[in-house]
Amino acid sequence: EAGVVQSPRYKIIEKKQPVAFWCNPISGHNTLYWYLQNLGQGPELLIRYENEEAVDDSQLPKDRFSAERLKGVDSTLKIQPAELGDSAVYLCASSNLEQDPPEQYFGPGTRLTVT
Amino acid sequence: AQSVTQPDIHITVSEGASLELRCNYSYGATPYLFWYVQSPGQGLQLLLKYFSGDTLVQGIKGFEAEFKRSQSSFNLRKPSVHWSDAAEYFCAVALYNNNDMRFGAGTRLTVKP
Repeated sequence: EAGVVQSPRYKIIEKKQPVAFWCNPISGHNTLYWYLQNLGQGPELLIRYENEEAVDDSQLPKDRFSAERLKGVDSTLKIQPAELGDSAVYLCASSNLEQDPPEQYFGPGTRLTVT
Repeated sequence: AQSVTQPDIHITVSEGASLELRCNYSYGATPYLFWYVQSPGQGLQLLLKYFSGDTLVQGIKGFEAEFKRSQSSFNLRKPSVHWSDAAEYFCAVALYNNNDMRFGAGTRLTVKP
């Protein structure tokens, strides 16, 4: 079974530029998560989708961050414009809420460096 | 306030020695409990989890963890550490179908030859 796929793995951009990250969850997983992981910290949830619906986006900085999950499968997280403080690892995870109990499976992450 | 605390930022042990990583949580009810490991440049891999039942949980790679309700703790242990265990370890808790997962700040493990 393929795991959670993320691309790109690494991205370097200048501040004020836009950037997008892509995530393909495990087949059949209806729930998708985007996490932010700063250096030396644990992951923090940005947004959670159940199918196409964003059911928890309370921690997503909506002035510059946006996300979508069209057709309830792949998801894209965008930052526009990027700031120096956005340098971090962006992790995607997926789970199947019908599993009892459910588990989150993580992708390898995208390491963003803003210069 | 809900929180997860990993008191040790960095631990160094010799290869073959035993290991214990601490995790304490503050939640209104007993949450689901997890330990993840993250190697450099990699995503998080689940080592073990506790939902109910036996409070001593066995995981992958020879790890185990013990849930102690009275101490609100879920410490990770391994009797004999291997050099390949060097990584970052995260304790996490979740309520309500694992939708609200909170992570500790992590403990970085260094293994000396």
